Amino acid sequence: LAKTTQPISMDSYEGQEVNITCSHNNIATNDYITWYQQFPSQGPRFIIQGYKTKVTNEVASLFIPADRKSSTLSLPRVSLSDTAVYYCLVGDAMNSGGYQKVTFGTGTKLQVIP
Amino acid sequence: EPEVTQTPSHQVTQMGQEVILRCVPISNHLYFYWYRQILGQKVEFLVSFYNNEISEKSEIFDDQFSVERPDGSNFTLKIRSTKLEDSAMYFCASSEWAEFPSSGANVLTFGAGSRLTVL
Repeated sequence: LAKTTQPISMDSYEGQEVNITCSHNNIATNDYITWYQQFPSQGPRFIIQGYKTKVTNEVASLFIPADRKSSTLSLPRVSLSDTAVYYCLVGDAMNSGGYQKVTFGTGTKLQVIP
Repeated sequence: EPEVTQTPSHQVTQMGQEVILRCVPISNHLYFYWYRQILGQKVEFLVSFYNNEISEKSEIFDDQFSVERPDGSNFTLKIRSTKLEDSAMYFCASSEWAEFPSSGANVLTFGAGSRLTVL
């Protein structure tokens, strides 16, 4: 399972776009990249998942370069309610013994400032 | 939106006591998981369960732990003899099988968690 590295924390003002980059240099061919969000005292919540290029949904965008050794979660126009910890997970999402069995890592603690 | 339900939300127990944490996964999901998060630390995988048997487990999931799907809807985690270090938030999650290729492959839906405090 690929190891991931993310910044420990980030601050952003309300209304700004936030980009959180995750490094995963030893990503394998079958690995997907999945991002979760966690608020204090709550379970993680799925945000977005991708394999290559760009994925966009109603919440975020995920940019994955051609070499797939990193990925960037982009949150457009953040609000105070986006203050949370964001986790990047990499692994074989097609196999229940894949990324699902990883420990989440420390994640990136995003603090949105008024 | 379908959700994973966990009970109790908070349980306080004495060291050495048995604890059962309960989860109701999303009804059409086939894979079930338990994770734990010690206060201020990482979310750690404990076990995954499919087709009425454990499919993966971590080194944390030792003989003190067991899982069961007793009635086709509930998914339980039992800790036989609790230790102080078992104090943590325990999260249940479930996922459905997704055919390849799929943008939602095995996405986990987590419950709100059960906070276990061992005294």
